[in-house]
Amino acid sequence: KAGVTQTPRYLIKTRGQQVTLSCSPISGHRSVSWYQQTPGQGLQFLFEYFSETQRNKGNFPGRFSGRQFSNSRSEMNVSTLELGDSALYLCASSHGGSNSGNTIYFGEGSWLTVV
Amino acid sequence: KQEVTQIPAALSVPEGENLVLNCSFTDSAIYNLQWFRQDPGKGLTSLLLIQSSQREQTSGRLNASLDKSSGRSTLYIAASQPGDSATYLCAVPNNAGNMLTFGGGTRLMVKP
Repeated sequence: KAGVTQTPRYLIKTRGQQVTLSCSPISGHRSVSWYQQTPGQGLQFLFEYFSETQRNKGNFPGRFSGRQFSNSRSEMNVSTLELGDSALYLCASSHGGSNSGNTIYFGEGSWLTVV
Repeated sequence: KQEVTQIPAALSVPEGENLVLNCSFTDSAIYNLQWFRQDPGKGLTSLLLIQSSQREQTSGRLNASLDKSSGRSTLYIAASQPGDSATYLCAVPNNAGNMLTFGGGTRLMVKP
């Protein structure tokens, strides 16, 4: 059974550009969440999607957005990139009923460097 | 607002030692707690999930305990090996979904 797949794994962008990251959850999982990991701030929650609806949102500016498709695949977009957006972006999936207590599984992440 | 703290931040032990990693959380109204492992430059690997109704969960040489009333969880690693070297993270979900709040992690090094 395939795990959580994130693409691309590595990318370099210039300040002011925008980037789209993709996540394919484990088959059958309907909840997809995104996290940003930096050395200074640790792991911070960006947003969660369940059945194509945003269910939770973290404290990030509106430049960070996401969506989920009917097949549960998700994308996140960051517009007008800043140097501080350089981070490892992690996607997580689970069966995801609210308070279901399901194990949450993470992908390998997408390394974004903004220069 | 839930806050999760992990102590110690870093730990170095010789191979073969039994060790305990600590995790504390401020809001005891949690549904579960999950322990993860992260190798350098990699994603997170789920180790153990403890439901709020459970006191312990075991997987191989790993044992996690949960005391909701005191806001604490511990991860016990028996007979540590160099391959256990990694960062260990604990996380709890919010009440309304799968938004996880993470601790800062414990960076473990097991020396041969």
